[in-house]
Amino acid sequence: GGIITQTPKFLIGQEGQKLTLKCQQNFNHDTMYWYRQDSGKGLRLIYYSITENDLQKGDLSEGYDASREKKSSFSLTVTSAQKNEMAVFLCASSIPGLGGPSSAETLYFGSGTRLTVL
Amino acid sequence: AQKVTQTQTSISVMEKTTVTMDCVYETQDSSYFLFWYKQTASGEIVFLIRQDSYKKENATVGHYSLNFQKPKSSIGLIITATQIEDSAVYFCAMREGGDNYAQGLTFGLGTRVSVFP
Repeated sequence: GGIITQTPKFLIGQEGQKLTLKCQQNFNHDTMYWYRQDSGKGLRLIYYSITENDLQKGDLSEGYDASREKKSSFSLTVTSAQKNEMAVFLCASSIPGLGGPSSAETLYFGSGTRLTVL
Repeated sequence: AQKVTQTQTSISVMEKTTVTMDCVYETQDSSYFLFWYKQTASGEIVFLIRQDSYKKENATVGHYSLNFQKPKSSIGLIITATQIEDSAVYFCAMREGGDNYAQGLTFGLGTRVSVFP
């Protein structure tokens, strides 16, 4: 088995500050994701990456940057923290399921980073 | 564009009974994949079960099973013999088929299940 480690678990920043969240996985998965979960809501995709140095924007990418310098790590930067960005940020990874890229994949999630903006 | 809707915000059940959760999806693709995930009180999210659109048989894993009604674009989750530890938020999710296989999942808003002794 493997694990996805997100750091830090809790992140407190000031409004307007640039903040970076980190994610490491040892599944050797190709694809990694960043999702945002607001209180009582579902998950929304911010960025994903299908391989090292690849970046793809999700529905919620505005206000964020991402970096995939290694296969095992995927970082997310909040470019200018805003009060309405208090949320949990979830990192996930996946590998195409049996049958190759066109088949379903299962996502494995980290435990999340809870962001609070003062 | 794809969309996933879970209309039930919360459900309370007694232990050892059966709970059913609804999920309706929208997609233009003829091929798609449907998932259910569980988020525990600690925030951990784990994969439970999936249904491929081309399969007619309902998926079953342990005490989780699916009620796939393709004409209604519906994928319900059924948990039999519920246990206290089944208390969690359950998310329905979907991915459309095609070449962009890594585009991630679209999630519903979740249904909170509380199991009481």
